[in-house]
Amino acid sequence: EVQLVESGGGLVQPGRSLRLSCAASGFSFDDYAMHWVRQAPGKGLEWVSGLTWNSGTIGYADSVKGRFTISRDNAKNFLYLQMSSLRAEDTALYFCAKDHSGYYSHFDHWGQGTLVSVSS
Amino acid sequence: SYELTQPPSVSVSPGQTANITCSGDKLGDKYAYWYLQKPGQSPVVVIYQDTRRPSGIPERFSGSNSGNTATLTISGTQAMDEADYYCQTGDSSTEVFGGGTKLTVL
Repeated sequence: EVQLVESGGGLVQPGRSLRLSCAASGFSFDDYAMHWVRQAPGKGLEWVSGLTWNSGTIGYADSVKGRFTISRDNAKNFLYLQMSSLRAEDTALYFCAKDHSGYYSHFDHWGQGTLVSVSS
Repeated sequence: SYELTQPPSVSVSPGQTANITCSGDKLGDKYAYWYLQKPGQSPVVVIYQDTRRPSGIPERFSGSNSGNTATLTISGTQAMDEADYYCQTGDSSTEVFGGGTKLTVL
């Protein structure tokens, strides 16, 4: 059974940094692209960032480009999101999502999310 | 950047057909995907590659994609189908979601 468990969320002041982690199990992690998707309170889904199976292609939404960095550790089955220069508008539930393929396709499994609140 | 547009809400009577649209420039040249999300839950894919249905998704869910519009069709809508629905597409390095459509079954 595919499991994705996010951690690292919390309350952080504007301008500070936070690192999210996603522990993956139940599938061959290094065969699949992975993504972060967020959802602000009461709002829709927003793709944040993704990377292919070998990190050969990495993409970011314009809203986070230059501030967030996605990475993966295929030996440990972990996905990460390093977030810096956080803003109030980054407040959201952050989902880790597994892609259906090694490249960008669609999201066939999702974690339960970790909540990030940016406030002074 | 690429944008997808969905109607904010759609209402349907039980047993009737619901159509939820998703519009984007030349969307028919890309693959469209559809997700449903119920309150407090993570999204679930219901249609991928325009028309394909994952295992476990009821046959009443179907999809199409042509021109500038992708459509999710729910035939014989049931009360349990009430949820938020999101379309999604992408290219080799970015993905984008539509704004979401709240389906009300009444």
